[in-house]
Amino acid sequence: LAKTTQPISMDSYEGQEVNITCSHNNIATNDYITWYQQFPSQGPRFIIQGYKTKVTNEVASLFIPADRKSSTLSLPRVSLSDTAVYYCLVGDPILTGGGNKLTFGTGTQLKVEL
Amino acid sequence: DVKVTQSSRYLVKRTGEKVFLECVQDMDHENMFWYRQDPGLGLRLIYFSYDVKMKEKGDIPEGYSVSREKKERFSLILESASTNQTSMYLCASRGSYNEQFFGPGTRLTVL
Repeated sequence: LAKTTQPISMDSYEGQEVNITCSHNNIATNDYITWYQQFPSQGPRFIIQGYKTKVTNEVASLFIPADRKSSTLSLPRVSLSDTAVYYCLVGDPILTGGGNKLTFGTGTQLKVEL
Repeated sequence: DVKVTQSSRYLVKRTGEKVFLECVQDMDHENMFWYRQDPGLGLRLIYFSYDVKMKEKGDIPEGYSVSREKKERFSLILESASTNQTSMYLCASRGSYNEQFFGPGTRLTVL
């Protein structure tokens, strides 16, 4: 399974754009990149998933360069409610059985202030 | 929306007790997972199941067992609870694109 590395913490202010970068140097050909958000005392919540280039949804954008060895989660105009832990994971969405598990790291604690 | 429910939000047990944590999902997902989460350690996979009666060990299975008798239900069992099993326990089921849907978690305290 591809190992990921991301910053332990980041600080920002309301209204700013936040970019969290994740390194995954040994990503496999069939792996997708997925980001989750977790608030205190809740389970993680799926945010966005992508394979290459750029993916955008109502919550965030995901930028993946051509070599796919890193990815950047972009949160536009953050608010206090975006304060959470953000996890980057890589894995093959097609695999079943024993190959299916994803590995969560310790994530990035984003703190948004006024 | 996918709904994953866990039997308790908070649970307090004594050392040596047998503890059952129940998880139910309503989307007919084949794959289900149990994690524990501790400060500074992130989420760690205990066990997962990719079909009824099928299970595989995750990264930290010691001291735990699981049961998957029906597709919608995945149970985590602590045969003899110990204080080092005090933790937040999270259940998840896997969707079609490998996204995982998590339950609200059970905060277990073992005294």
